[in-house]
Amino acid sequence: EAGVAQSPRYKIIEKRQSVAFWCNPISGHATLYWYQQILGQGPKLLIQFQNNGVVDDSQLPKDRFSAERLKGVDSTLKIQPAKLEDSAVYLCASSARLLAGTSLDTQYFGPGTRLTVL
Amino acid sequence: EDQVTQSPEALRLQEGESSSLNCSYTVSGLRGLFWYRQDPGKGPEFLFTLYSAGEEKEKERLKATLTKKESFLHITAPKPEDSATYLCAVGLGDYKLSFGAGTTVTVRA
Repeated sequence: EAGVAQSPRYKIIEKRQSVAFWCNPISGHATLYWYQQILGQGPKLLIQFQNNGVVDDSQLPKDRFSAERLKGVDSTLKIQPAKLEDSAVYLCASSARLLAGTSLDTQYFGPGTRLTVL
Repeated sequence: EDQVTQSPEALRLQEGESSSLNCSYTVSGLRGLFWYRQDPGKGPEFLFTLYSAGEEKEKERLKATLTKKESFLHITAPKPEDSATYLCAVGLGDYKLSFGAGTTVTVRA
């Protein structure tokens, strides 16, 4: 079974430029997540989708970050304009559903996109 | 406030030297405790899910256990290929996954 795909793997931009990341989840997975992982820290949730609807985006800096999941499959995360502090790895994850019983369903991660903002 | 704390931050082991990693949490309404392995330059790789206190799961040289306040990841007779960062994450009542900062394990041959 193919895993979560992400592109590009690496991106270097100047501050104030814009950038977009793409994610293709595991086939059939209804729930998709975007995380930000700063060096030396655990991943931090930015936004989660159930099919093509937003479940939670409370930690997404909406003045500069946006995300969409068209047709409930692929997703894109955009940053415009980028700041130095946005340098991080952006991880996409998917799960078959939000809950498995009363617990969260297992999330499977892609390889991530390493963003460097100069 | 929900919190997840992992210790130690780093662990250096000799091949064959067993040890344990700790993940302590203060969470209301735990919706699962997850362990992941992350290699440099890669995304987290799922290892285990634990649902209730007293539960244990094993995979090769790894064994995860869960109590009401913490989880342990035991590494038995580690090999160099077990070198990685191990992340603990807890499922919260608001349907989010909250990660600890991880424990970086280095196993020397």
